[in-house]
Amino acid sequence: GAGVSQSPSNKVTEKGKDVELRCDPISGHTALYWYRQSLGQGLEFLIYFQGNSAPDKSGLPSDRFSAERTGGSVSTLTIQRTQQEDSAVYLCASTSGRGTTSTDTQYFGPGTRLTVL
Amino acid sequence: AQSVAQPEDQVNVAEGNPLTVKCTYSVSGNPYLFWYVQYPNRGLQFLLKYITGDNLVKGSYGFEAEFNKSQTSFHLKKPSALVSDSALYFCAVRGDTGRRALTFGSGTRLQVQP
Repeated sequence: GAGVSQSPSNKVTEKGKDVELRCDPISGHTALYWYRQSLGQGLEFLIYFQGNSAPDKSGLPSDRFSAERTGGSVSTLTIQRTQQEDSAVYLCASTSGRGTTSTDTQYFGPGTRLTVL
Repeated sequence: AQSVAQPEDQVNVAEGNPLTVKCTYSVSGNPYLFWYVQYPNRGLQFLLKYITGDNLVKGSYGFEAEFNKSQTSFHLKKPSALVSDSALYFCAVRGDTGRRALTFGSGTRLQVQP
C-alpha cells in the first residue's frame, strides 16, 4: 500500500515568509509525528498527534511553529516568519496507533527540505 | 529523560566482511529500541526493533541487532556487508512510559568499500 507522503519535497523561501508543510500518513494510521533533521542537531521531535489532538507538542522550538491535523488524516506544519535556522529536512511519521502505541513502528515519509534564504 | 549514543560518526568496512554499528541508550523503564536506515535524499526506512523476548532481533536486508540490557546496548550487525548497505544508520529509543516520540542517535555513516 501507499506509504507516508509529504509535500512539497523541496521548499525555498525568504526569511520572514510563512510556509506550510503537508503530511499524508498511511491510510488508517491514527498516530502522526513530526520531526526535524538538521545538520548538527540530528533528528529532533517536534509534535505528536493522536487522532486530531496533539497530546505532546513539547518539541516545537518556538511559537512560530504550529501544526494541525484534520479528519484524523492529513497534517500541516506551519512555520511563521521563517528564520535561517529553520532550514532543515522536516520528516513526518505515522503509526497504526492501535493497541500499545509505544511498541508501534513509526513509518517515515521522504521529508520536505526547507531552505530559508 | 531518554538518550541514545552512536559513538562512531563513520564506519568503514570492506564488502563481504562483517559489520557492526554501535548504539547505547539511556531510558526510564523498559526500552523499546529501533534501527532505521537513510539513503541520500530519502526518508528513514525501518530495519528492525526490539520490544521484548529474544535478545537477537532479525530485520530487513540481512541485518540483525543484539540487545544487551546490562550494557544498555543495541548494536546493529550484518555478517557480510554489501556496497549497497552504504548509508546513514540511526538508532532510536523510547521507554514504556512517558513520551511516545522516539529519541534518535546522531547517526553513523556506513561506508562499504568494494
